[in-house]
Amino acid sequence: NAGVTQTPKFQVLKTGQSMTLQCAQDMNHEYMSWYRQDPGMGLRLIHYSVGAGITDQGEVPNGYNVSRSTTEDFPLRLLSAAPSQTSVYFCASSRGTADQPQHFGDGTRLSIL
Amino acid sequence: DAKTTQPPSMDCAEGRAANLPCNHSTISGNEYVYWYRQIHSQGPQYIIHGLKNNETNEMASLIITEDRKSSTLILPHATLRDTAVYYCIVRGSGAGSYQLTFGKGTKLSVIP
Repeated sequence: NAGVTQTPKFQVLKTGQSMTLQCAQDMNHEYMSWYRQDPGMGLRLIHYSVGAGITDQGEVPNGYNVSRSTTEDFPLRLLSAAPSQTSVYFCASSRGTADQPQHFGDGTRLSIL
Repeated sequence: DAKTTQPPSMDCAEGRAANLPCNHSTISGNEYVYWYRQIHSQGPQYIIHGLKNNETNEMASLIITEDRKSSTLILPHATLRDTAVYYCIVRGSGAGSYQLTFGKGTKLSVIP
């Protein structure tokens, strides 16, 4: 049982490049989300999805796009990378009720030069 | 969701119980108390959660006061591998409750 899988684990980009961070879960969870964590800080929500075809913005959505075409996958796209997007990105998934815990992936460490 | 207050850091001797407090004085009746931890820069790891009653699982125990305004996470026999940042999070059950609001947590250092 793989849980939540994020790829790649590390990535270095140049300013202005685009890329997609992948997130997949094999637990048939309705809810998926993306967080970013900057040094010394807690996680902040970027975007989330409550099911296939449904997405919404979190606390810090600017510069990021998401889509949810399947239950399993929830990719995060950086349209034009900026140094301020240097961070560690975590994907999480859970069943769709508040009494079900969210499970996190191991993260993608992204550096924008 | 209600805000939580945690001490920034705590030490615990290896083999002893680690008691991590959390204040959530504005919690409402349908909000859950969740605990996660983060070891180094790994993904947050779910520990335990509760609504009103005390809870216990293979990792820890969660004690929630009767008025629900505070809680304590107990690691019964702390090991060096329990050194991590521990986050107490209050999560509602209504629309928009999916978000977990992470504060700065408590950095627990388990000392040999």
